[in-house]
Amino acid sequence: KAGVTQTPRYLIKTRGQQVTLSCSPISGHRSVSWYQQTPGQGLQFLFEYFSETQRNKGNFPGRFSGRQFSNSRSEMNVSTLELGDSALYLCASSPRPGTGPNTEAFFGQGTRLTVV
Amino acid sequence: AQTVTQSQPEMSVQEAETVTLSCTYDTSENNYYLFWYKQPPSRQMILVIRQEAYKQQNATENRFSVNFQKAAKSFSLKISDSQLGDTAMYFCAFMKEYGGSQGNLIFGKGTKLSVKP
Repeated sequence: KAGVTQTPRYLIKTRGQQVTLSCSPISGHRSVSWYQQTPGQGLQFLFEYFSETQRNKGNFPGRFSGRQFSNSRSEMNVSTLELGDSALYLCASSPRPGTGPNTEAFFGQGTRLTVV
Repeated sequence: AQTVTQSQPEMSVQEAETVTLSCTYDTSENNYYLFWYKQPPSRQMILVIRQEAYKQQNATENRFSVNFQKAAKSFSLKISDSQLGDTAMYFCAFMKEYGGSQGNLIFGKGTKLSVKP
């Protein structure tokens, strides 16, 4: 069974550009979450999608957006890139939201975004 | 708001020895979940162990066990018989039960563990 796949693995963009990151969840998983990881701020929750609907959103500016498709694949977009957006962006999938059994989140290897 | 604190930025241990990583948290919730995640150099976050706050019994997973002290809001991870493959960043994380999901984990800043041969 394939794991969570994030593409691309590495990305270099210029300040002011926009970027789209992709996440393919484990087959059968319908919940996808995104996290930003930086040395200074650590791991911070961006947003969560379930059945193509945004279920939760973290405290990030409107430049950060996302969506989920009917096959559960998700994309996140960052517009007007700033140097501070340089980070590792992690995606996690789980069968469904919630805290019961078998809702463990499985993480991808992340996309390393560098803004120059 | 909930916070998670890991006071040990870096630790090292000799192979086959035991090491304990500390984590404290702050919350007004009564029902919640606590986790330890491992992030090796490959960057993939892997769940090590999970503890439900309503369970008094400490969770164990093979060589990994926790010491959960709810009143003290403490959740430490003990790794027994450390192996070179345990070298990684370890993150403590909190999730509230009501309205919570794997999508809004609150993480500590992490402890970098090095296992030395």
